[in-house]
Amino acid sequence: AQSVAQPEDQVNVAEGNPLTVKCTYSVSGNPYLFWYVQYPNRGLQFLLKYITGDNLVKGSYGFEAEFNKSQTSFHLKKPSALVSDSALYFCAVRASNTGGFKTIFGAGTRLFVKA
Amino acid sequence: DTGVSQNPRHKITKRGQNVTFRCDPISEHNRLYWYRQTLGQGPEFLTYFQNEAQLEKSRLLSDRFSAERPKGSFSTLEIQRTEQGDSAMYLCASSTLEETQYFGPGTRLLVL
Repeated sequence: AQSVAQPEDQVNVAEGNPLTVKCTYSVSGNPYLFWYVQYPNRGLQFLLKYITGDNLVKGSYGFEAEFNKSQTSFHLKKPSALVSDSALYFCAVRASNTGGFKTIFGAGTRLFVKA
Repeated sequence: DTGVSQNPRHKITKRGQNVTFRCDPISEHNRLYWYRQTLGQGPEFLTYFQNEAQLEKSRLLSDRFSAERPKGSFSTLEIQRTEQGDSAMYLCASSTLEETQYFGPGTRLLVL
């Protein structure tokens, strides 16, 4: 069965410092991996995805994520955090070769960037 | 605005009533998804359409839930005989074959 784990409910970081939001997954076969962000009273916004190719994926707003197949991880990173990055972040996975379209989301990690 | 739209944005109903939500996807997107999100949780997959065909439905979805996408454009999600446990945010997303899902603002349902 597919699953996604975001081990941290909240991540606190000072503005200007690097940030990491962790995600590990379990899926049969090759994964499609995604990160979405949710701001208060707004819908989920797509940040980046890994489908195939380079393990390091760059996305919106300076975020990037690295696909690590051996560790089944897809951690979200940013070199220098901004206060405006404070939001709820969701990792998601879909199995690419089972014929299904079910996308599984993690429970979310709240990022708090302090000025 | 050419994003995904959902109506209504909020719905309050009494237990036992039926409710229907509408989703209008981005026009060229042939894939449409429904999710449910409760407080403190990530979106939970409910069902998926490719064009007008409903290709996947979560086993968690009871028989009281039904979704349609009659002409491969907009979709409706109906909940019959609502229960208090149905209170949640109902999200719609659409995509092309390149997988990125674009989400609507959601419909917040409160069952009293």
